[in-house]
Amino acid sequence: AQSVAQPEDQVNVAEGNPLTVKCTYSVSGNPYLFWYVQYPNRGLQFLLKYITGDNLVKGSYGFEAEFNKSQTSFHLKKPSALVSDSALYFCAVRHGSGNTGKLIFGQGTTLQVKP
Amino acid sequence: NAGVMQNPRHLVRRRGQEARLRCSPMKGHSHVYWYRQLPEEGLKFMVYLQKENIIDESGMPKERFSAEFPKEGPSILRIQQVVRGDSAAYFCASSPQSTGANVLTFGAGSRLTVL
Repeated sequence: AQSVAQPEDQVNVAEGNPLTVKCTYSVSGNPYLFWYVQYPNRGLQFLLKYITGDNLVKGSYGFEAEFNKSQTSFHLKKPSALVSDSALYFCAVRHGSGNTGKLIFGQGTTLQVKP
Repeated sequence: NAGVMQNPRHLVRRRGQEARLRCSPMKGHSHVYWYRQLPEEGLKFMVYLQKENIIDESGMPKERFSAEFPKEGPSILRIQQVVRGDSAAYFCASSPQSTGANVLTFGAGSRLTVL
């Protein structure tokens, strides 16, 4: 069965500092991995995805994520955090072959960036 | 492109009433997914539909919940005889096809409150 774990309920970081939001996954076969962001009372917005190729994926708003197959991780990173990055972040996984259907989401990590 | 449209955005029902949530996918998208987000929790997959077909309903409660995506018109998530535990945000997402690399585009959600 597919699963995603986001071990931190909340991450606090000062504006201008680098941030990391952790994600580990479990899936048989090759994974397709995604990060989404949710602002209060809004739907989810796509940030980036890993399908194949370069392990470092660049996405929207200066975010990037590194796929690490040996550690089954897909941590979200940003070199310099902004207050406006404060939101709820979700990692998601999908089985990477065939008719794959649904995305499985982690529990979410609240990112708080303080001025 | 209007994106994924969900209505109503907010719905209040008394216990025992019925709730109907509607989702119009993005233009050109023929795959619809419904997710539920309980307070302080992540997104839980409920059902995946294509036009006139339910592909995966493994996340749907066995009773009171049903979903459809007719040939014409929006997808409908129907909850009969609502209970307080059904209070949640219900998100719809759509994609153009079901290959694993496709990004799901989410609507803004429908927030159901059961009194």
